[in-house]
Formats: sequence, structure tokens, C-alpha cells
Amino acid sequence: GENVEQHPSTLSVQEGDSAVIKCTYSDSASNYFPWYKQELGKRPQLIIDIRSNVGEKKDQRIAVTLNKTAKHFSLHITETQPEDSAVYFCAATINQAGTALIFGKGTTLSVSS
Amino acid sequence: GAVVSQHPSWVICKSGTSVKIECRSLDFQATTMFWYRQFPKQSLMLMATSNEGSKATYEQGVEKDKFLINHASLTLSTLTVTSAHPEDSSFYICSVRNTGNTEAFFGQGTRLTVV
Repeated sequence: GENVEQHPSTLSVQEGDSAVIKCTYSDSASNYFPWYKQELGKRPQLIIDIRSNVGEKKDQRIAVTLNKTAKHFSLHITETQPEDSAVYFCAATINQAGTALIFGKGTTLSVSS
Repeated sequence: GAVVSQHPSWVICKSGTSVKIECRSLDFQATTMFWYRQFPKQSLMLMATSNEGSKATYEQGVEKDKFLINHASLTLSTLTVTSAHPEDSSFYICSVRNTGNTEAFFGQGTRLTVV
């Protein structure tokens, strides 16, 4: 089955700096890679996703890159703000409704002002 | 996006009792729902895949007789934690994937505390 590795487990940055979180996956059949932000005690919120037919996707301050050959994908947050502080999870799966997401272990991002 | 409602949001139960958690897909029919467990400061770990009208598929290490899953309709899946123990205390969360763009949507989660 799929296995997702995520690094780093914690990340501290100054407000305005960029933050990068990296994930690798094991199953070459995986073709959908979402990123979630989770605040304490709340459900995960999708912040961006990418499918394997593209290599990069951007939404304002957030971007995701995908390298299918190397089986890794990364989340980039630019101009970080204190409200970006949260736990971020990457996930990988097959692009089918009946297949579960497999999550990385998460990254706790702290943005200090 | 899809709306997924989970109930209850939190529950405290005594050791040895059973607790039922409901997950409803409010605005589309879900033939498959997923149950995850999340311990404090850890990731969401897939427990089982709930299939409407058939048996659930459990992940390795998850006891199917302890975590009973019923998916009797296209909008409702239930997870029953039987004979709960303190080590079952966790955040349980359900998910469905949209059949269109296959984005995943999550319930609010249930905080279970076994005392």
C-alpha cells in the first residue's frame, strides 16, 4: 500500500519568510496529492491539491510542486503570516472516489511576528 | 463542496461501554466512506473503508470486532467502538470523496475520552 513520508516535523519561521514542506510517496499509481491545514481539534481543511498531469500549481501565497519521477511533492508558502501557524499534512492517493487518502505525519508550522 | 456531518462532536464514556459515532453525507450519495483515527500530535491514520451494503475493509492492525462499521445507506456510516478502553481515547474523523473531482471532505471529528 501507499506510504507517505513528510519532513520536517516542525518548522519555525519569521513572519514574511517562506516555508517549504516536503513529502515523498511510495506507490507509483498515486496521482492525486492534496495538502491540508489542521487547527487543533478541528477537521483538516484543503489548502491546495495537485494531480499528476501537472508539475506545479499556485494559489496566491501557496504553491505545490510535483516530481513524479522522484515521487516527491512539496508545499511552498511565501510571505508567511502568524495565521499560517498550524499543522500541515500532505496526502497521496489514487484519483478515485473509492480510495482513501494516506497522510504524512504532519508538519507543525510556527510563524513568529 | 460536499457537506459531511459527524455526531457527536465529543463523548466521554466509561471503560467497557460502547460508543456509536455517526457520519452523514448531507448533499451527495457516498457509496464509500473512510474512518480515520488521530491521536494527539499525530497524523490521521486510516482505520477502515466503509462500503454501502457490504462489509467494511479494515486496515492492518485494526480489530474489526472492536470497531464495528455499518454503512446501511448512501448517506450514513456508523462506527461503534465496543468495550472501550482508555487507550481508545482519540479523535475519530470520517471522510468522503466527491465522485466528480474526488476531493476529500471531512466530518467535524469526534473526540472520544474513555475513563
